[in-house]
Amino acid sequence: QSVLTQPPSVSAAPGQKVTISCSGSSSNIGNNYVSWYQQLPGTAPKLLIYDNNKRPSGIPDRFSGSKSGTSATLGITGLQTGDEADYYCGTWDSSLSVLYVFGTGTKVTVL
Amino acid sequence: EVQLVESGGGLVQPGGSLRLSCAASGFTVSSNYMSWVRQAPGKGLEWVSVIYSGGSTYYADSVKGRFTISRDNSKNTLYLQMNSLRAEDTAVYYCARGKSSSSHAYYFDYWGQGTLVTVSS
Repeated sequence: QSVLTQPPSVSAAPGQKVTISCSGSSSNIGNNYVSWYQQLPGTAPKLLIYDNNKRPSGIPDRFSGSKSGTSATLGITGLQTGDEADYYCGTWDSSLSVLYVFGTGTKVTVL
Repeated sequence: EVQLVESGGGLVQPGGSLRLSCAASGFTVSSNYMSWVRQAPGKGLEWVSVIYSGGSTYYADSVKGRFTISRDNSKNTLYLQMNSLRAEDTAVYYCARGKSSSSHAYYFDYWGQGTLVTVSS
């Protein structure tokens, strides 16, 4: 039961841009930094974005992140077939039931 | 190079127990906060548990009282002892290294390949 809401799917043609939203509340996104993870089919998640908008070494600048209030957004420009994957947002939560929460996940399809 | 390798998954009957291991290399487990994250078949990611460098542990309500996270510093290995297993615990279990760049900034920078736990009679 994820507390961060993402659209189930987004799609675009190669070379185009997609954005993925992540909606939360003041107990999570509103007061904490957001990270994003890419999960290619059959593999483990991989860190894409941390601290709202920072990229780890090796992640191309086609991937970007932003945050405003209780929502965050992942952007992917110059879409490639290799970007087809599930994407999850994540952040700390100050509730008593769970310390870290993930989004519901978004499937990116390259048309 | 940082590596995390899980093991110990398998088929277990409801009510049974299983211990997962996560062998780390390229860094020291006890100097980082380490988590277990699971993913039920066809579902999203769910945080399960964390152990801080100081030894404090925390659990999701869904596993509290049944699962225990621990580490062996001499083996640089993380563990998850799972008792009273239920069908809804069926999932791929990943261990992940946690990082915190500042207060309120937490993320997982390295993940293992995962180990499948199936709870079924």
